[in-house]
Amino acid sequence: DAGVTQSPTHLIKTRGQHVTLRCSPISGHKSVSWYQQVLGQGPQFIFQYYEKEERGRGNFPDRFSARQFPNYSSELNVNALLLGDSALYLCASSPGQYNSPLHFGNGTRLTVT
Amino acid sequence: GDSVTQMEGPVTLSEEAFLTINCTYTATGYPSLFWYVQYPGEGLQLLLKATKADDKGSNKGFEATYRKETTSFHLEKGSVQVSDSAVYFCALSEGPGSGNTGKLIFGQGTTLQVKP
Repeated sequence: DAGVTQSPTHLIKTRGQHVTLRCSPISGHKSVSWYQQVLGQGPQFIFQYYEKEERGRGNFPDRFSARQFPNYSSELNVNALLLGDSALYLCASSPGQYNSPLHFGNGTRLTVT
Repeated sequence: GDSVTQMEGPVTLSEEAFLTINCTYTATGYPSLFWYVQYPGEGLQLLLKATKADDKGSNKGFEATYRKETTSFHLEKGSVQVSDSAVYFCALSEGPGSGNTGKLIFGQGTTLQVKP
């Protein structure tokens, strides 16, 4: 079975630009979560979507938004990019909303110059 | 708020040495606890988990016991291999009882280097 897939794998953007990151969960998983991992730190929670509704949001500015589609895939959008947005963005899926182990993709490495 | 603290790395060991990576947590509810491992260039993989006090999670020779009295979830392995070299993350999930989303809160990660 395919795991969580993310695209693109690497991305370079300029300050002020917009970026869209994509995630396809494991088949049958209805929950998708997004995490930001800055180099040398643990992942920080951005969003969780379950059954196409936002179920949780971390401490990130409104420049960050996301959505989940009927097929449970998801997009993370970041507007007005800042240098500090440079990070590895991880998507994770799970069957349920609570306490289900998360299955992570390999991430999208975003570099903002 | 809830938090996870891990011992700072890097931890450098010789092959077949005993491994301990300390993890302590702060939580208001009854969290589930996890260890994830991240190999270079990859995402995180679940290594083991424990959902209630005194539970022991185990996988691939790694073990961790949920200690509520000391709020700890230390990772141990009796004999490490070169292939165990990676970054290890301790994490907690707040669970449904507190009305939250079930998000994971991670520690800062501990790098393990195993030398032949």
